[in-house]
Amino acid sequence: NAGVTQTPKFQVLKTGQSMTLQCAQDMNHNSMYWYRQDPGMGLRLIYYSASEGTTDKGEVPNGYNVSRLNKREFSLRLESAAPSQTSVYFCASRRQGVEWGGYTFGSGTRLTVV
Amino acid sequence: SQKIEQNSEALNIQEGKTATLTCNYTNYSPAYLQWYRQDPGRGPVFLLLIRENEKEKRKERLKVTFDTTLKQSLFHITASQPADSATYLCALDGSSNTGKLIFGQGTTLQVKP
Repeated sequence: NAGVTQTPKFQVLKTGQSMTLQCAQDMNHNSMYWYRQDPGMGLRLIYYSASEGTTDKGEVPNGYNVSRLNKREFSLRLESAAPSQTSVYFCASRRQGVEWGGYTFGSGTRLTVV
Repeated sequence: SQKIEQNSEALNIQEGKTATLTCNYTNYSPAYLQWYRQDPGRGPVFLLLIRENEKEKRKERLKVTFDTTLKQSLFHITASQPADSATYLCALDGSSNTGKLIFGQGTTLQVKP
């Protein structure tokens, strides 16, 4: 009953460093999403994967890349971190089908870029 | 442009009263709308989904209404408790094929004993 697991929970990067945020779900959901949450901005979609083997850009994709490794895992990579990428990152998954359900979110990764 | 608006000011109410939160949207025709609860330092938690052909939906002390003419959803918590204090987010479906959601900024509710 883990739901959506995100690692790491906290990270501090220097400008220009790279890192990968990991996300895995054990609910057999087809669709997975990466959001960032900033004060006053709400949750904004970075990338999503509607089903295994597909990925697509969301509202704020610049500076990020994603990999849908398999049905369970969806990673987010920052190739060259910038202070503007300081944020809280949430991964979510959702059952796909005629009856869409709610998102299940992970607990978040708090990233600071200095 | 498409926009989802929730009251950015915190809502403060007394324990036992009914809390009512508002979500307004423009330039959308969502098939459904969702409400989430978010506690500090945690990810949002799904509460309720209401479809465009449903006027009202209830779950325990929660009630959601959806008026597609007014382009508005109201979220009610009856007999509110201090444990209900949190930020509440509304979300609309951005695409029926991808399942991606567009979120409002959230309204913080503070229930005082």
